[in-house]
Amino acid sequence: GAGVSQSPSNKVTEKGKDVELRCDPISGHTALYWYRQSLGQGLEFLIYFQGNSAPDKSGLPSDRFSAERTGGSVSTLTIQRTQQEDSAVYLCASREGAGDEKLFFGSGTQLSVL
Amino acid sequence: GESVGLHLPTLSVQEGDNSIINCAYSNSASDYFIWYKQESGKGPQFIIDIRSNMDKRQGQRVTVLLNKTVKHLSLQIAATQPGDSAVYFCAEEANNLFFGTGTRLTVIP
Repeated sequence: GAGVSQSPSNKVTEKGKDVELRCDPISGHTALYWYRQSLGQGLEFLIYFQGNSAPDKSGLPSDRFSAERTGGSVSTLTIQRTQQEDSAVYLCASREGAGDEKLFFGSGTQLSVL
Repeated sequence: GESVGLHLPTLSVQEGDNSIINCAYSNSASDYFIWYKQESGKGPQFIIDIRSNMDKRQGQRVTVLLNKTVKHLSLQIAATQPGDSAVYFCAEEANNLFFGTGTRLTVIP
């Protein structure tokens, strides 16, 4: 069956450009998370969507970062005016309910800012 | 949260031995815990979970132990195999799901 799909798998951009990263969660999953993983580091929480509730944006590192989730399904993470320190793997995960259930992860988008 | 700039803790074990990976969590209100395995270039893969009303849960070759008194979680892997080599993350959940720094497990053939 289809898992969490992320695109692109790799993105190379120049400093100062904007990028959009896409996540297609598993169909029917109401919860969607974005995490960032720098090289050799753990997973840093960015943002969490749950159904029609207002997203938890508490992990976004600056106002250059934003995310949307349209129609309760596909999500887009946007990074404006990218900086070199934004280089990382951006992971998306989804799960069926609001909590106490395992997350299913995508393979991530490797973002490189030159 | 993660400690920026530190290398991942590492654990090396001989093939066939048992592995124990430890995790200290921070929030005493956390009521759900998960272990994930991440191989190079891939997203984290679910291994096993446990709720706070339990102190032990077993899966296939894996056991998770939860000690709420000292806020400690461990993952035991029996008869470790080369395919178990990966980075292992614990995660805790109260109102949100947060991950630990991870431990790199290397299995020596």
